[in-house]
Amino acid sequence: GQNIDQPTEMTATEGAIVQINCTYQTSGFNGLFWYQQHAGEAPTFLSYNVLDGLEEKGRFSSFLSRSKGYSYLLLKELQMKDSASYLCAVGNDYKLSFGAGTTVTVRA
Amino acid sequence: DGGITQSPKYLFRKEGQNVTLSCEQNLNHDAMYWYRQDPGQGLRLIYYSQIVNDFQKGDIAEGYSVSREKKESFPLTVTSAQKNPTAFYLCASNRGDHPFNEQYFGPGTRLTVT
Repeated sequence: GQNIDQPTEMTATEGAIVQINCTYQTSGFNGLFWYQQHAGEAPTFLSYNVLDGLEEKGRFSSFLSRSKGYSYLLLKELQMKDSASYLCAVGNDYKLSFGAGTTVTVRA
Repeated sequence: DGGITQSPKYLFRKEGQNVTLSCEQNLNHDAMYWYRQDPGQGLRLIYYSQIVNDFQKGDIAEGYSVSREKKESFPLTVTSAQKNPTAFYLCASNRGDHPFNEQYFGPGTRLTVT
């Protein structure tokens, strides 16, 4: 079975940093993906981790610890347009299993 | 421009009717996927296809059917047997030659059945 947990909601101020945690227990693992989804729109790919450690992409970074079944997405220098849902997904055998998503609200 | 198209964006049907949602991609991707998204829940996999003329059930296939006659197209039929069909349906695709390839999503179809 697949169990992927992430917080439901987070709120932060413009210019601040927010860390979204994701823990997983899955029957297989080909990598961990983070997607951003604005309300009513399609998810868009943000990052991918398959090895332990930190991957940095501009204002977004993602970390993975396979032994702990843990990942986080770090959003720096928050902007109003970062208000969205962030989806953690575990890849397994060409399929993705998604967490319920974390809604991030950025306040001015 | 390459991408995935889903139409229509909003679809309304009466209970008891079958409805087919379209998904077309011009990314030359081998693999295609259908997900359903409900409020407060993650995306759940309905069906997927890694190659033309072949497809597999996902986690919630009951009440749905698909076909994959062309590489570009992967239509999803929501049958009257699906107990709670009202949802946001997302189609995705990827190269499929490696499990690490990210999936690209279409804009989605919001289906309402009354």
